[in-house]
Amino acid sequence: QSALTQPASVSGSPGQSITISCTGTSSDVGNYDLVSWYQQHPGKAPKIVIYEATRRPSGVSNRFSGSKSGNTASLTISGLQAEDEADYYCCSYAGSATRVFGGGTKVTVL
Amino acid sequence: QVQLVQSGAEVKKPGASVKVSCKASGNTFATYAMHWVRQAPGQGLEWMGWINVGNGNTKFSQKFQGRVTLRSDTSASTVYMDLSRLKSEDTAVYYCARERPGGSNWFDFWGQGTLVIVSS
Repeated sequence: QSALTQPASVSGSPGQSITISCTGTSSDVGNYDLVSWYQQHPGKAPKIVIYEATRRPSGVSNRFSGSKSGNTASLTISGLQAEDEADYYCCSYAGSATRVFGGGTKVTVL
Repeated sequence: QVQLVQSGAEVKKPGASVKVSCKASGNTFATYAMHWVRQAPGQGLEWMGWINVGNGNTKFSQKFQGRVTLRSDTSASTVYMDLSRLKSEDTAVYYCARERPGGSNWFDFWGQGTLVIVSS
């Protein structure tokens, strides 16, 4: 099972919007709407920001949104803030009760 | 609110085994899936496997099949992860993460992580 493909880094200025892509295959991202996104600050455990590709858990800022098209899922952060600077990981159900993560994307707020 | 508290850091020699525990407290359900995810220094997250804490069923990544064992002790609300035949590449922070009950396939609570160092 190969890791999902994410850009290594994405940057933006405060207030801007950025989008992080997560590309898989027809065996994972393309076949299930079971993509979740996690935010991880240095030295901390990951935290959920999006689940089922587009849904936002209660308590997560509405500046975070998700979408999916074909084999690619995307996370958009609008109104970028300094506190959004972190690593972001996508995760997909990959069939047969397995999961696969993306390689991670470092978001830098300029 | 659920809390997952993991055991402390470990230093092991190559070829040895390590056991990491994950104790759940708070509003836990009788049955749910507990996943294990690891993160090597400066690297990304890697899914290892999961256990249904209610019936003990497990599923592992092919990469770890045969080398990892998961066990749950429901009376102690604790899940244990054993990784055998350790190699230097197993040096990582190991996390337990609860899958949200209901089949939506996301991790709602995470442990604080356990650093395992494999070094001769």
